[in-house]
Amino acid sequence: DAGITQSPRHKVTETGTPVTLRCHQTENHRYMYWYRQDPGHGLRLIHYSYGVKDTDKGEVSDGYSVSRSKTEDFLLTLESATSSQTSVYFCAIRLGQLYEQYFGPGTRLTVT
Amino acid sequence: GDSVTQMEGPVTLSEEAFLTINCTYTATGYPSLFWYVQYPGEGLQLLLKATKADDKGSNKGFEATYRKETTSFHLEKGSVQVSDSAVYFCALSDLTGNQFYFGTGTSLTVIP
Repeated sequence: DAGITQSPRHKVTETGTPVTLRCHQTENHRYMYWYRQDPGHGLRLIHYSYGVKDTDKGEVSDGYSVSRSKTEDFLLTLESATSSQTSVYFCAIRLGQLYEQYFGPGTRLTVT
Repeated sequence: GDSVTQMEGPVTLSEEAFLTINCTYTATGYPSLFWYVQYPGEGLQLLLKATKADDKGSNKGFEATYRKETTSFHLEKGSVQVSDSAVYFCALSDLTGNQFYFGTGTSLTVIP
């Protein structure tokens, strides 16, 4: 257990509304990641962070922003949600010399 | 760029059957390779890993060998159980460890 929690676990929102998902970790890991999981695509990286206020884009970053003001929290924001952002979102942390990642339980987001 | 291709599912097996899930990769240099498992409604769990050619990762009766010559990391288990029913993801970490690339996942159902 890498001590990762995500909130909320489920959310339904309307198109055009802003949404923020939170990832919280308790073990001071430097690297944190946000992925989305969609059928037929596996997991795709949205953004990642390598320290407080240090972030970078992943493969599918359009329409998403992130912030990390303290080590333990990594926030993912959809500024104006669209139906194409309906997905399951996973947060992960990286540890170990093998760069292995450990995942949170996920947030299921539905945009209507 | 780096990528992972894994065998399409779904796969249905009888209990105690032999399992192989194929995974091949494209990458620069010697990436680290991983298999993750996802049980229904849960996040991904690291199943096994390998860092260099000919390394064999193993856990819970599952094995995979890092084959540089065929750029493969096939998952095997000699005798599957109903409790192995899940979705399995092959993944690689790039040389910096900043990016993870996942396959699309293979759904396994084991019937009694």
